[in-house]
Amino acid sequence: AQKVTQAQTEISVVEKEDVTLDCVYETRDTTYYLFWYKQPPSGELVFLIRRNSFDEQNEISGRYSWNFQKSTSSFNFTITASQVVDSAVYFCALSEARRAQKLVFGQGTRLTINP
Amino acid sequence: KAGVTQTPRYLIKTRGQQVTLSCSPISGHRSVSWYQQTPGQGLQFLFEYFSETQRNKGNFPGRFSGRQFSNSRSEMNVSTLELGDSALYLCASSSGGSGGEKLFFGSGTQLSVL
Repeated sequence: AQKVTQAQTEISVVEKEDVTLDCVYETRDTTYYLFWYKQPPSGELVFLIRRNSFDEQNEISGRYSWNFQKSTSSFNFTITASQVVDSAVYFCALSEARRAQKLVFGQGTRLTINP
Repeated sequence: KAGVTQTPRYLIKTRGQQVTLSCSPISGHRSVSWYQQTPGQGLQFLFEYFSETQRNKGNFPGRFSGRQFSNSRSEMNVSTLELGDSALYLCASSSGGSGGEKLFFGSGTQLSVL
């Protein structure tokens, strides 16, 4: 069975600090996909990044970066120089190749950036 | 391009009643998935419809059902409501392909069962 664990339930930092959100996953599939979604107070989940199991390259997008390590089954997310607008709940998720629309989510990390 | 639209935004029902939630996907998307979000269980997959057929199903009782129309709009129905059905119900649309497809979510319907 697939499982995603986000051990950090809540994180609170002061603006401009760097923060890393941890994600550990379990799956028996050799082909799978990992995602990060952001959920602002309005409720909708906003896609941030997707990574397939064969691509371990780290990715940077502006202040956001992601570190995927198959050896430790982790897919961590770092926000550099955090801003108040980054405050939200962040979810890590996993899907099989053949059931792309069935995401298994972690419990989420509530990130609060204080001014 | 309009996003995923869910109606109504809020619903209050009493135990034993039934409820229908609606989801209009992004134009051109043929897949609609439904998720339930609760503080205790988090985000859980309910089911997915593609071209009017249920293609995937999560581990929910038969009281939870859905359907999809020829224009890809989808409805979700919950019969004989229980207190534990109180949740945010999120709908997501996509083109329906395989391989790590990006899902586009609506703002959800907040259901309260009294």
